[in-house]
Amino acid sequence: DTEVTQTPKHLVMGMTNKKSLKCEQHMGHRAMYWYKQKAKKPPELMFVYSYEKLSINESVPSRFSPECPNSSLLNLHLHALQPEDSALYLCASSQPGGSTGELFFGEGSRLTVL
Amino acid sequence: QQQVKQSPQSLIVQKGGISIINCAYENTAFDYFPWYQQFPGKGPALLIAIRPDVSEKKEGRFTISFNKSAKQFSLHIMDSQPGDSATYFCAASIRHRGSTLGRLYFGRGTQLTVWP
Repeated sequence: DTEVTQTPKHLVMGMTNKKSLKCEQHMGHRAMYWYKQKAKKPPELMFVYSYEKLSINESVPSRFSPECPNSSLLNLHLHALQPEDSALYLCASSQPGGSTGELFFGEGSRLTVL
Repeated sequence: QQQVKQSPQSLIVQKGGISIINCAYENTAFDYFPWYQQFPGKGPALLIAIRPDVSEKKEGRFTISFNKSAKQFSLHIMDSQPGDSATYFCAASIRHRGSTLGRLYFGRGTQLTVWP
C-alpha cells in the first residue's frame, strides 16, 4: 500500500466547475509535489512545496492553484479547466536533503474535463 | 531539450528472458539515477537507484549498470516474469545549488510486456 494517499481516485468535471484534489502523507516528509501525467508519457512536474512553502512553479496556468495547509497535506484547486487538462494527477513526497530523486508517489487522481 | 533519453519505447520479452532498457544523459551534474516502475492505474514506484560513483547495483533480479564515461546507464531484469509487465522510467536528478531540493528528469518510458 502506498503511503501517499490521494483523493478522489477519479474526477469528472465540466469546464466551469471548481474542484479540488487532495493528497496526504504521514512519512514526515517535508517536500511535496504535484505532477501531471498524460497517457504513455512520463510525469511532468507542476509544483513543489518545501517546508510548506511553494518552491517551484513550472509555469503552470493559473487555473491550477496549489495549497499546502500543513506538512502532511497538499491540495490542488481546479477552476475553469480545459479538456486538454484531462490527465492523471500525481502527488509525491520526499525528504529534503535526502536522495534528490527518491520520490514516493500516490496512486493518482484521474481527471476528466468535459 | 530532453535531459534523459530512453530506449526502447516498447519491449516484448519471453518469460525467463532478460529485459534490457537503456538510458543516456548529457548533464554531468546529475548525482542520482533512479528507475521507476509504473503499473496501469498506479503511480510510479521507485524500483532501484544508483549514484555515479558506482558502476553496478543489484537488487534481486534487477541490476543497474552505470557507465560514467559514456554517460549511459541501463536496467537489466533477469528471469523476467509476467508480473514485471509495466512501464519503466529511468530518471536523473540534480540538486539545486544552495537548496536541499533536487530536480528529477524522467526518460520517456519503456513499456515492457513479458509473455508467459
